[in-house]
Amino acid sequence: AQSVTQLGSHVSVSEGALVLLRCNYSSSVPPYLFWYVQYPNQGLQLLLKYTTGATLVKGINGFEAEFKKSETSFHLTKPSAHMSDAAEYFCAVSDSGSSNTGKLIFGQGTTLQVKP
Amino acid sequence: DSGVTQTPKHLITATGQRVTLRCSPRSGDLSVYWYQQSLDQGLQFLIHYYNGEERAKGNILERFSAQQFPDLHSELNLSSLELGDSALYFCASSVGASARYNEQFFGPGTRLTVL
Repeated sequence: AQSVTQLGSHVSVSEGALVLLRCNYSSSVPPYLFWYVQYPNQGLQLLLKYTTGATLVKGINGFEAEFKKSETSFHLTKPSAHMSDAAEYFCAVSDSGSSNTGKLIFGQGTTLQVKP
Repeated sequence: DSGVTQTPKHLITATGQRVTLRCSPRSGDLSVYWYQQSLDQGLQFLIHYYNGEERAKGNILERFSAQQFPDLHSELNLSSLELGDSALYFCASSVGASARYNEQFFGPGTRLTVL
């Protein structure tokens, strides 16, 4: 079975500081990994994804994540936080061994607070 | 706006009742996914339909059922409601079935409150 663990349910950074949101996964097959963002009272929006190939993936709004197989991690980073980045962030995994479904298994989420 | 429509936005009902949540996918999308978001369980996958066919089931209760109609819209039926069913229910759609090539676009959700 696949699972995702997000370390830290709340992360607080100052505007302009580095953002680091941690995600570790468990999967018996090579995983597909995703980061989603959820703004208050909205649905989820895809930030970036890793399926195969380059392990450093770039997404929208200046975010990037690196797939590290040896560490089973897929941490999300952004060099400089902006007030508009305040939201909840979800890491998710999907089974690469199945082409029948792209169901997502989500972590518990991390709320990012950005202080002025 | 993701292009995925969910109705109603809010639903308040009593324990023991039955409700139907509706999802219209983006134009051209054949896959519909249902997810439940609650404070204690987080975001959980419920069920996936592709072009009318059930493709995967998560920890969906027997009191819950879903279907995808020929026009590709989907309905999630929740019956014998309990307080613990109060949650935000999301629908997501994608063109195809696999996660590798098909981004899931999420609707705004239906907030269900069971009193």
